[in-house]
Parts: sequence; C-alpha cells; structure tokens
Amino acid sequence: ETGVTQTPRHLVMGMTNKKSLKCEQHLGHNAMYWYKQSAKKPLELMFVYSLEERVENNSVPSRFSPECPNSSHLFLHLHTLQPEDSALYLCASSQGSYGAANTEAFFGQGTRLTVV
Amino acid sequence: AQSVTQLGSHVSVSEGALVLLRCNYSSSVPPYLFWYVQYPNQGLQLLLKYTSAATLVKGINGFEAEFKKSETSFHLTKPSAHMSDAAEYFCAVSDPYGGSQGNLIFGKGTKLSVKP
Repeated sequence: ETGVTQTPRHLVMGMTNKKSLKCEQHLGHNAMYWYKQSAKKPLELMFVYSLEERVENNSVPSRFSPECPNSSHLFLHLHTLQPEDSALYLCASSQGSYGAANTEAFFGQGTRLTVV
Repeated sequence: AQSVTQLGSHVSVSEGALVLLRCNYSSSVPPYLFWYVQYPNQGLQLLLKYTSAATLVKGINGFEAEFKKSETSFHLTKPSAHMSDAAEYFCAVSDPYGGSQGNLIFGKGTKLSVKP
C-alpha cells in the first residue's frame, strides 16, 4: 500500500463518545499533519508533528488529542465533541523536517466526521 | 502574516474552454506557492508548485501557473477544460523564513464546474 491512508473514511459519533482517527503514511516522510476542512471555511491546520514531536498546535480545543507513536502513524483522539466539530479531517505528510517549506504535503482521503 | 485570496468561490466553464482560477497572496517575502486539487470525497492532490525557480510552472493534467511578483499573483490556467477537471482547487502559500516554516496557508478554494 502506498501514500497516506486514513481510517475510518466515515464516522458518526455522539457527543459523549470517544473515538480515534488513524492515519498511516508509507512514503518515508518524517512530518505529519492534521487539518480540519469545514464547509465554506479554509483548511485549518490543527497539529504538526516533525520527527514524532509535536511542533505546532494551533489553539485546538483539548477535546482533540493527537498522538504520533512513530513517523508512520498519526492518531487523533476525539472525546466530548460538539456538533460544530463535524467536518472532513485530513491527514498529510511531507518529506524532510518541518522547516522544509518548499516541500509539498501529501494528503490522505480524509475522515468525514459527523457529531450528533 | 501570510494570506491567500482566491477570487470566485465557483467558476463554471464549457468543455474545451480556457480555465482561469485566480490566486493572490500576501507575504512579506517571496513565498513558496502551491495549487492543489480535491475531487469529491477525496483528499488534496498537488497540481504544481513554485519554489523560486522558473516563474511559469507546469503541473499535472495540463495545468500551469505563473508567478507574478509585481501582481502578487499565482493564477492557475488550462487551455482547454475537460469534464474530468470538475473539482475544487486550492491555492496555498508557505513562508520560507517565517516561524511556521512548512505550514501551508490555504485559500478558501474555488469549485470548478465544466459544462458539456
């Protein structure tokens, strides 16, 4: 399997549930990202991991908790979400260190999350 | 702070017609610039990128973009639209020297429709 793979593709959860999104990259990259894509809003960068260390957290609510156990895997743990958290969550990875601004990101297909 | 403006949230062209998707950026230094495409229920795929080499950049699927520093623009063009080009297109900027190196800032996207 190649590229960036996200599971599940679709997720419906209640506000009291706990769930996790998974991302796996087979590209040998060492930076991974979580983005949130809501309707009619720009893509929002949520978290960045470089060499398995979190280097950026863009003021994301604590109900979103990332985990990067190794350079190939990234998780987003979800708990007590709100309906406004419903969105497409995209994982991405890139080559080189986080400082390599000229390297493009490779995206997974996303997880469509609906909070009811 | 960097920003990206995509003029027109929705563009409609006829098959075979010229495609022009506009992107203007705001950056204190010459940035790196990217165009991504997103097909329905998919992640983002890189079309092309500008990283301070040639100002006219050719990408996949017959798309190209020209970096114009005087106009702070990076418009995406394709001479002849195909039905398969119907998708959403995102312009993104990355600051080579900023504190968030590698942090892509995305525009709000332009949805391209292609009429038969």
